[in-house]
Amino acid sequence: EAQVTQNPRYLITVTGKKLTVTCSQNMNHEYMSWYRQDPGLGLRQIYYSMNVEVTDKGDVPEGYKVSRKEKRNFPLILESPSPNQTSLYFCASSSQYKTGELFFGEGSRLTVL
Amino acid sequence: EDKVVQSPLSLVVHEGDTVTLNCSYEVTNFRSLLWYKQEKKAPTFLFMLTSSGIEKKSGRLSSILDKKELFSILNITATQTGDSAIYLCAWSGTYKYIFGTGTRLKVLA
Repeated sequence: EAQVTQNPRYLITVTGKKLTVTCSQNMNHEYMSWYRQDPGLGLRQIYYSMNVEVTDKGDVPEGYKVSRKEKRNFPLILESPSPNQTSLYFCASSSQYKTGELFFGEGSRLTVL
Repeated sequence: EDKVVQSPLSLVVHEGDTVTLNCSYEVTNFRSLLWYKQEKKAPTFLFMLTSSGIEKKSGRLSSILDKKELFSILNITATQTGDSAIYLCAWSGTYKYIFGTGTRLKVLA
């Protein structure tokens, strides 16, 4: 089954404790991206990757890092989480990064205390 | 600054009603406009529009794009309670996607 898988789905952590949210897709998509969704603000793009070893900032990259060492994986790293990073995070992928349909993971709800 | 604006923010209707959701955009480098439905968790894809004036249909849902006036509409006819969700539109540029804040639709039985 074609899918985008994120882990963990739920996480409560404390300020400053590094964490990684993993994202993996099995559709051989070149393009992957991360979004956060907050009430009243919609989905905002954090980072995206056009292919292996090629990443760029989205609209809200502060406090986040990413890497793309393999085509299928695109982890999101919070080096020193803060409460304002409490949010619902989505990973998504697409085979036609310039215009294409995004396939979303199930989401990861992160709470930073 | 590129932006996508959706209206109304929320809408409550009764089963059987027809609704029209609006999406306007001010962007550079337009490639496509996408519509998604979000129920409990992940957004699910509805339509992708790239050409102006061509309607896309799927059952009771349809959508059309006006590239001259920079807007798109999503129509849902004969609404059902299962249509209750947040509907998102998104602009796709080169590598970037910008989403509107969504329209929350509630359909009452």
